[in-house]
Amino acid sequence: GQQVMQIPQYQHVQEGEDFTTYCNSSTTLSNIQWYKQRPGGHPVFLIQLVKSGEVKKQKRLTFQFGEAKKNSSLHITATQTTDVGTYFCAGQNSGAGSYQLTFGKGTKLSVIP
Amino acid sequence: EAGVTQFPSHSVIEKGQTVTLRCDPISGHDNLYWYRRVMGKEIKFLLHFVKESKQDESGMPNNRFLAERTGGTYSTLKVQPAELEDSGVYFCASSAKTGFADTQYFGPGTRLTVL
Repeated sequence: GQQVMQIPQYQHVQEGEDFTTYCNSSTTLSNIQWYKQRPGGHPVFLIQLVKSGEVKKQKRLTFQFGEAKKNSSLHITATQTTDVGTYFCAGQNSGAGSYQLTFGKGTKLSVIP
Repeated sequence: EAGVTQFPSHSVIEKGQTVTLRCDPISGHDNLYWYRRVMGKEIKFLLHFVKESKQDESGMPNNRFLAERTGGTYSTLKVQPAELEDSGVYFCASSAKTGFADTQYFGPGTRLTVL
């Protein structure tokens, strides 16, 4: 079945440093979605990428979807303490005929003030 | 607009008992999904309803799990009898449209502990 690998599992950064998390799918995806889960919270939708090679920005966050639509990354510039949480990527594969999201294990980000 | 709500927020039961989790999707959302996260593992899909019909239940682990969505509004997920490995956080999500690439909005989850 479809698998999505996400690295790193944990990342500790000093406030102001950059942060990147990477996802790689075993199969070509129709789209990839990114979620953020704050400690004690639930996954909150951040963004969706659909097109090959797509790049989207949200303030300090930059999301990329690979040309082959099998990998994606989230980059945060100049981290702040409010960025703390676990970031998940989740892929959908329309070829499988299902709307299910296949999640990566997540990257837990800690920001040291 | 109210988000996805789930009840209860926590449940602690003994092995062999029955537990029923409830999910109320965002009003007007036809699509409802159940996911769960077992400790240390990724969030995994369980099943998908379109209105009251089961569209995809390929993720349901075994026949101890029964999901219903009578009337196409709220949904329940019953685990009977519960086993130790069922412990985890059960998330419900809903989406509005019936096509791919529709944002799935997650509820706060129910943390289930089976002792």
